[in-house]
Amino acid sequence: QKEVEQDPGPLSVPEGAIVSLNCTYSNSAFQYFMWYRQYSRKGPELLMYTYSSGNKEDGRFTAQVDKSSKYISLFIRDSQPSDSATYLCAMSPHSSASKIIFGSGTRLSIRP
Amino acid sequence: DGGITQSPKYLFRKEGQNVTLSCEQNLNHDAMYWYRQDPGQGLRLIYYSQIVNDFQKGDIAEGYSVSREKKESFPLTVTSAQKNPTAFYLCASSVDSGGDNEQFFGPGTRLTVL
Repeated sequence: QKEVEQDPGPLSVPEGAIVSLNCTYSNSAFQYFMWYRQYSRKGPELLMYTYSSGNKEDGRFTAQVDKSSKYISLFIRDSQPSDSATYLCAMSPHSSASKIIFGSGTRLSIRP
Repeated sequence: DGGITQSPKYLFRKEGQNVTLSCEQNLNHDAMYWYRQDPGQGLRLIYYSQIVNDFQKGDIAEGYSVSREKKESFPLTVTSAQKNPTAFYLCASSVDSGGDNEQFFGPGTRLTVL
């Protein structure tokens, strides 16, 4: 069993819809949770970063962490065609970037 | 204009050859990383360096080597000992190796072994 599971998609939704992307994990020691966006043939860029449980909002993006269920989510409101990309979740057991475990990514397509 | 550059963008290699991928950053970051990305898999850490002249193996270091002679440069050599080198290689850097510091990624190098 992988430490981090992420549905690869592809996920296709119409413009303006609310998108929900999710990851589950098995290691209860994970404390730091991240979401990266990766456009085709480019490097990932950090979208959201949260520590422990709770919600974090940044513009149209909301990251949610439920440690009791070992489940994290990224919500995108008012989705735009420019949001079409692969979204990678990532998490770390402690404050060390060398211990980050990445999900395999969900490919998202926003239809105009 | 600050950032991370990787070259070349595409690289083709014959079996049995060593090849070196370049990674340069002008962000004045202490920590640098090399990841490998394969279809259907997450990024996997090959090597990382917390400071000049120091580096540690990541999860899949076999068949790879690195050096960190300058703060801004962290080249990766894919040796002939790497059994399945065809992949997308990503270099990243962060202010330091603390997990609460954002990693900035380069544009990647796609390596194909013929």
